[in-house]
Amino acid sequence: AQSVTQLGSHVSVSEGALVLLRCNYSSSVPPYLFWYVQYPNQGLQLLLKYTTGATLVKGINGFEAEFKKSETSFHLTKPSAHMSDAAEYFCAVSEDTGFQKLVFGTGTRLLVSP
Amino acid sequence: AAGVIQSPRHLIKEKRETATLKCYPIPRHDTVYWYQQGPGQDPQFLISFYEKMQSDKGSIPDRFSAQQFSDYHSELNMSSLELGDSALYFCASSSGVGGNYEQYFGPGTRLTVT
Repeated sequence: AQSVTQLGSHVSVSEGALVLLRCNYSSSVPPYLFWYVQYPNQGLQLLLKYTTGATLVKGINGFEAEFKKSETSFHLTKPSAHMSDAAEYFCAVSEDTGFQKLVFGTGTRLLVSP
Repeated sequence: AAGVIQSPRHLIKEKRETATLKCYPIPRHDTVYWYQQGPGQDPQFLISFYEKMQSDKGSIPDRFSAQQFSDYHSELNMSSLELGDSALYFCASSSGVGGNYEQYFGPGTRLTVT
């Protein structure tokens, strides 16, 4: 069975500071990995995904993530936080066969202070 | 670009009543997924359909049923509602064309059971 662990239910950063949201996965088969963002009272928006190929994945809004198989990690980073980045971030995993359900982590709330 | 449409956006029901949630996938998407997100929780997979056939099933109560119709829209039927069914219900759609299995989420239906 697949699972995702997000370290830290809340992460606080100052505007302009580095954002690092941690995600570790467990999967018995090569995984597909995703980061989604959820703003209050809204749906889930895909930030980026890893399927195969390049392990450093660039997404929208300046976010990127690196797939490290040896560490079973897929941490999300952004060099400089903006106030508008404040939201809930979910890491998710699915199997590489496609058409598979997403298994989400418990989420990390990013707080950005001026 | 067209997005996933869910209706209604908000629904208030009493215990033991029935609710029907509707999902209209992105045009030419052949797969629909349903997720339930309780307050302060991560989304949990309920059920999915591919080409109008159930493709996967998660932690969906027996009181719930779903189907995908010939026009690919899907409906989630919930009977004998309980207070614990109060949650945000997301529908997502995807297409396997070109090996792109990204799931695009709708804005969700917020169900409140009183």
